Amino acid sequence: GESVGLHLPTLSVQEGDNSIINCAYSNSASDYFIWYKQESGKGPQFIIDIRSNMDKRQGQRVTVLLNKTVKHLSLQIAATQPGDSAVYFCAGVIGGYNKLIFGAGTRLAVHP
Amino acid sequence: GAVVSQHPSWVICKSGTSVKIECRSLDFQATTMFWYRQFPKQSLMLMATSNEGSKATYEQGVEKDKFLINHASLTLSTLTVTSAHPEDSSFYICSAGQGTGTDTQYFGPGTRLTVL
Repeated sequence: GESVGLHLPTLSVQEGDNSIINCAYSNSASDYFIWYKQESGKGPQFIIDIRSNMDKRQGQRVTVLLNKTVKHLSLQIAATQPGDSAVYFCAGVIGGYNKLIFGAGTRLAVHP
Repeated sequence: GAVVSQHPSWVICKSGTSVKIECRSLDFQATTMFWYRQFPKQSLMLMATSNEGSKATYEQGVEKDKFLINHASLTLSTLTVTSAHPEDSSFYICSAGQGTGTDTQYFGPGTRLTVL
């Protein structure tokens, strides 16, 4: 079955450094992936997405990399800021089912 | 645009009572709405998918008689937790989609349910 999991449960970084959050998936049928940010007591907030026919996509201060060979994707946050502190989830979508399968989540803690 | 609201934002109830949670798409018509449950420090688990005007599709292991879902209009879906017990205490989150593509799923702010 489909599963999406993360390598690290927590990540601590210094303000201004770059952050890299990793995610692995098992179902090669997933054709679309999304990264979400969730602050305490709130719903997930869309950050960036990537389709399986791409290996890289950039947004504002964020980049998502997709390696289909090893079924791995990552979220890179440049110049991490205190406001980036949150839990980050990757989610995979199985084409045609319109369902999101969420990974376990990584808590990002940004220290001044 | 694309705002999804939930009501209430938090609720405390006694064991054995039923609780209804509303999910509304404020500025778009949602043909599909999804309900998730999230326990503390855990990920979101999809409970069910509801399409306007039809019965909800429940994920394996989710009791449909326990978690009643109604999607009566294109802007409103409700989740009713019937005969709630302390183990039902959780954060319930809905999302709404405009069409068949998952790139148009917008999440609500969540509802914290505490059953005493």
